Amino acid sequence: QKEVEQNSGPLSVPEGAIASLNCTYSDRGSQSFFWYRQYSGKSPELIMFIYSNGDKEDGRFTAQLNKASQYVSLLIRDSQPSDSATYLCAVRGVNTNAGKSTFGDGTTLTVKP
Amino acid sequence: NAGVTQTPKFQVLKTGQSMTLQCAQDMNHNSMYWYRQDPGMGLRLIYYSASEGTTDKGEVPNGYNVSRLNKREFSLRLESAAPSQTSVYFCASSLRALQETQYFGPGTRLLVL
Repeated sequence: QKEVEQNSGPLSVPEGAIASLNCTYSDRGSQSFFWYRQYSGKSPELIMFIYSNGDKEDGRFTAQLNKASQYVSLLIRDSQPSDSATYLCAVRGVNTNAGKSTFGDGTTLTVKP
Repeated sequence: NAGVTQTPKFQVLKTGQSMTLQCAQDMNHNSMYWYRQDPGMGLRLIYYSASEGTTDKGEVPNGYNVSRLNKREFSLRLESAAPSQTSVYFCASSLRALQETQYFGPGTRLLVL
Protein backbone atom coordinates (compact mmCIF):
# COMPACT_ATOMS: atom_id res chain seq x y z
CA GLN A 1 0.00 0.00 0.00
CA LYS A 2 1.33 3.43 -0.92
CA GLU A 3 1.80 5.88 1.91
CA VAL A 4 -0.19 8.56 0.11
CA GLU A 5 -2.84 7.68 -2.46
CA GLN A 6 -4.81 9.99 -4.71
CA ASN A 7 -7.66 9.56 -7.18
CA SER A 8 -6.22 7.93 -10.26
CA GLY A 9 -7.82 10.55 -12.50
CA PRO A 10 -7.88 12.22 -14.86
CA LEU A 11 -10.74 14.31 -13.54
CA SER A 12 -12.75 16.46 -15.91
CA VAL A 13 -15.29 19.06 -14.81
CA PRO A 14 -17.14 21.82 -16.66
CA GLU A 15 -16.26 25.44 -16.02
CA GLY A 16 -18.05 26.76 -12.96
CA ALA A 17 -18.46 23.35 -11.33
CA ILE A 18 -16.93 22.11 -8.09
CA ALA A 19 -13.87 19.91 -8.49
CA SER A 20 -13.21 17.46 -5.68
CA LEU A 21 -9.77 15.96 -5.24
CA ASN A 22 -9.17 13.24 -2.69
CA CYS A 23 -6.17 11.86 -0.86
CA THR A 24 -5.76 9.09 1.69
CA TYR A 25 -2.69 8.35 3.77
CA SER A 26 -1.51 5.32 5.72
CA ASP A 27 0.52 6.83 8.59
CA ARG A 28 -1.83 7.59 11.48
CA GLY A 29 0.87 9.80 13.00
CA SER A 30 0.74 12.25 10.10
CA GLN A 31 0.40 15.81 11.26
CA SER A 32 0.60 18.16 8.31
CA PHE A 33 -1.11 17.99 4.95
CA PHE A 34 -0.40 19.97 1.82
CA TRP A 35 -1.88 20.51 -1.60
CA TYR A 36 0.40 21.56 -4.45
CA ARG A 37 -0.62 22.54 -7.97
CA GLN A 38 1.65 21.67 -10.87
CA TYR A 39 1.06 22.94 -14.37
CA SER A 40 2.37 20.79 -17.19
CA GLY A 41 6.11 21.24 -17.55
CA LYS A 42 6.32 23.50 -14.50
CA SER A 43 7.35 23.11 -10.89
CA PRO A 44 4.90 22.50 -8.03
CA GLU A 45 3.54 25.43 -6.06
CA LEU A 46 1.82 25.26 -2.70
CA ILE A 47 -1.92 25.98 -2.67
CA MET A 48 -2.86 25.16 0.89
CA PHE A 49 -1.81 23.35 4.01
CA ILE A 50 -3.97 22.06 6.85
CA TYR A 51 -3.15 20.66 10.27
CA SER A 52 -6.46 20.34 12.12
CA ASN A 53 -9.57 18.32 11.47
CA GLY A 54 -12.25 20.21 9.62
CA ASP A 55 -12.26 22.68 6.78
CA LYS A 56 -9.88 25.43 5.81
CA GLU A 57 -10.94 27.89 3.17
CA ASP A 58 -8.85 30.19 0.99
CA GLY A 59 -10.74 31.91 -1.79
CA ARG A 60 -12.16 29.28 -4.13
CA PHE A 61 -10.17 26.51 -2.45
CA THR A 62 -11.23 24.49 0.57
CA ALA A 63 -9.09 21.82 2.20
CA GLN A 64 -10.87 19.23 4.33
CA LEU A 65 -9.13 16.96 6.81
CA ASN A 66 -10.47 13.92 8.64
CA LYS A 67 -7.70 12.30 10.64
CA ALA A 68 -9.92 9.49 11.92
CA SER A 69 -10.56 8.40 8.35
CA GLN A 70 -7.03 9.36 7.24
CA TYR A 71 -8.46 11.41 4.47
CA VAL A 72 -7.76 14.87 3.11
CA SER A 73 -9.49 16.54 0.21
CA LEU A 74 -9.33 19.71 -1.85
CA LEU A 75 -12.44 21.34 -3.22
CA ILE A 76 -12.20 23.92 -5.96
CA ARG A 77 -15.34 25.98 -6.33
CA ASP A 78 -16.28 27.79 -9.54
CA SER A 79 -13.61 25.89 -11.43
CA GLN A 80 -11.84 27.80 -14.17
CA PRO A 81 -9.88 26.55 -17.18
CA SER A 82 -6.81 28.02 -15.49
CA ASP A 83 -7.27 25.45 -12.71
CA SER A 84 -6.40 22.69 -15.18
CA ALA A 85 -3.28 21.15 -13.70
CA THR A 86 -2.03 18.20 -11.71
CA TYR A 87 -2.72 18.42 -7.98
CA LEU A 88 -0.29 16.76 -5.61
CA CYS A 89 -1.15 15.77 -2.06
CA ALA A 90 1.75 15.70 0.43
CA VAL A 91 1.78 14.42 3.98
CA ARG A 92 4.27 14.86 6.80
CA GLY A 93 4.46 12.83 9.99
CA VAL A 94 5.20 14.03 13.49
CA ASN A 95 8.56 12.30 13.63
CA THR A 96 9.72 13.37 10.21
CA ASN A 97 12.84 15.43 10.18
CA ALA A 98 13.58 18.44 8.08
CA GLY A 99 10.06 18.81 6.81
CA LYS A 100 10.23 15.68 4.71
CA SER A 101 6.93 15.20 2.97
CA THR A 102 5.64 12.13 1.18
CA PHE A 103 3.85 12.95 -2.06
CA GLY A 104 1.03 11.17 -3.82
CA ASP A 105 1.21 10.56 -7.56
CA GLY A 106 -1.15 13.42 -8.30
CA THR A 107 -4.54 13.84 -9.91
CA THR A 108 -4.80 15.63 -13.22
CA LEU A 109 -7.73 18.01 -13.42
CA THR A 110 -9.14 19.37 -16.67
CA VAL A 111 -11.70 22.16 -16.54
CA LYS A 112 -13.61 22.40 -19.81
CA PRO A 113 -14.92 25.80 -20.94
CA ASN B 1 14.54 37.92 -6.00
CA ALA B 2 15.10 35.01 -8.35
CA GLY B 3 13.84 32.50 -5.78
CA VAL B 4 15.23 29.03 -6.47
CA THR B 5 17.33 28.62 -9.59
CA GLN B 6 18.60 25.42 -11.16
CA THR B 7 21.16 24.69 -13.85
CA PRO B 8 21.15 23.19 -16.35
CA LYS B 9 17.56 23.20 -17.59
CA PHE B 10 18.10 20.14 -19.75
CA GLN B 11 20.88 17.56 -20.05
CA VAL B 12 21.54 14.42 -22.04
CA LEU B 13 24.04 11.94 -20.65
CA LYS B 14 25.38 8.60 -21.75
CA THR B 15 25.31 5.70 -19.32
CA GLY B 16 28.28 5.91 -17.00
CA GLN B 17 28.87 9.64 -17.38
CA SER B 18 28.83 11.91 -14.37
CA MET B 19 27.35 15.33 -13.83
CA THR B 20 26.40 17.81 -11.14
CA LEU B 21 23.07 19.59 -10.93
CA GLN B 22 23.30 23.02 -9.37
CA CYS B 23 20.75 24.74 -7.18
CA ALA B 24 20.81 28.11 -5.53
CA GLN B 25 18.28 30.13 -3.52
CA ASP B 26 18.32 33.78 -2.61
CA MET B 27 15.61 33.74 0.05
CA ASN B 28 17.99 33.13 2.98
CA HIS B 29 16.35 29.77 3.58
CA ASN B 30 17.96 27.27 5.90
CA SER B 31 16.66 24.02 4.41
CA MET B 32 17.08 22.68 0.91
CA TYR B 33 15.86 19.55 -0.87
CA TRP B 34 16.37 17.53 -4.01
CA TYR B 35 13.44 15.61 -5.53
CA ARG B 36 12.97 13.57 -8.65
CA GLN B 37 9.72 13.25 -10.54
CA ASP B 38 9.10 10.46 -13.00
CA PRO B 39 6.26 10.65 -15.55
CA GLY B 40 2.84 10.38 -13.95
CA MET B 41 4.27 10.23 -10.48
CA GLY B 42 4.67 12.46 -7.52
CA LEU B 43 7.88 13.80 -6.08
CA ARG B 44 10.33 11.52 -4.37
CA LEU B 45 12.91 12.97 -2.00
CA ILE B 46 16.50 12.12 -2.87
CA TYR B 47 18.45 14.11 -0.27
CA TYR B 48 17.84 17.09 1.94
CA SER B 49 19.81 19.55 4.00
CA ALA B 50 18.11 20.82 7.12
CA SER B 51 20.72 23.51 7.60
CA GLU B 52 24.09 24.55 6.30
CA GLY B 53 26.61 21.81 7.03
CA THR B 54 24.14 18.95 7.29
CA THR B 55 22.77 16.55 4.71
CA ASP B 56 20.57 13.47 5.03
CA LYS B 57 19.22 10.75 2.81
CA GLY B 58 15.68 10.84 1.61
CA GLU B 59 13.54 8.15 0.04
CA VAL B 60 15.68 7.35 -3.04
CA PRO B 61 19.34 8.29 -2.39
CA ASN B 62 21.10 5.45 -4.23
CA GLY B 63 23.26 6.64 -7.10
CA TYR B 64 23.38 10.24 -5.88
CA ASN B 65 25.54 12.43 -3.69
CA VAL B 66 24.96 15.97 -2.48
CA SER B 67 26.94 18.92 -1.23
CA ARG B 68 25.63 21.84 0.74
CA LEU B 69 28.26 24.26 -0.45
CA ASN B 70 27.00 27.17 1.65
CA LYS B 71 23.66 28.48 2.81
CA ARG B 72 22.61 29.41 -0.73
CA GLU B 73 23.77 26.42 -2.75
CA PHE B 74 22.93 22.73 -2.74
CA SER B 75 24.27 20.50 -5.52
CA LEU B 76 23.31 17.00 -6.60
CA ARG B 77 25.88 14.72 -8.22
CA LEU B 78 25.37 11.64 -10.33
CA GLU B 79 28.66 9.76 -10.29
CA SER B 80 27.78 7.15 -12.91
CA ALA B 81 24.51 7.88 -14.63
CA ALA B 82 22.08 5.07 -15.42
CA PRO B 83 18.96 5.09 -17.64
CA SER B 84 16.86 4.64 -14.48
CA GLN B 85 17.95 8.12 -13.46
CA THR B 86 16.16 9.68 -16.42
CA SER B 87 13.78 12.04 -14.69
CA VAL B 88 12.96 15.64 -13.88
CA TYR B 89 14.90 16.89 -10.89
CA PHE B 90 13.53 19.63 -8.68
CA CYS B 91 15.38 21.54 -6.03
CA ALA B 92 13.36 23.19 -3.27
CA SER B 93 14.00 25.28 -0.21
CA SER B 94 12.17 26.30 2.94
CA LEU B 95 12.87 28.84 5.64
CA ARG B 96 13.22 26.26 8.37
CA ALA B 97 13.39 22.47 8.46
CA LEU B 98 9.77 22.24 9.56
CA GLN B 99 8.58 25.20 7.56
CA GLU B 100 5.48 24.23 5.70
CA THR B 101 6.06 26.06 2.47
CA GLN B 102 8.65 24.67 0.15
CA TYR B 103 9.59 26.77 -2.86
CA PHE B 104 10.57 24.86 -5.94
CA GLY B 105 13.02 25.63 -8.71
CA PRO B 106 12.04 25.26 -12.38
CA GLY B 107 13.53 21.76 -12.67
CA THR B 108 16.24 20.01 -14.66
CA ARG B 109 15.21 17.49 -17.28
CA LEU B 110 17.76 14.70 -17.45
CA LEU B 111 17.86 12.02 -20.12
CA VAL B 112 20.32 9.16 -19.70
CA LEU B 113 20.87 7.08 -22.83
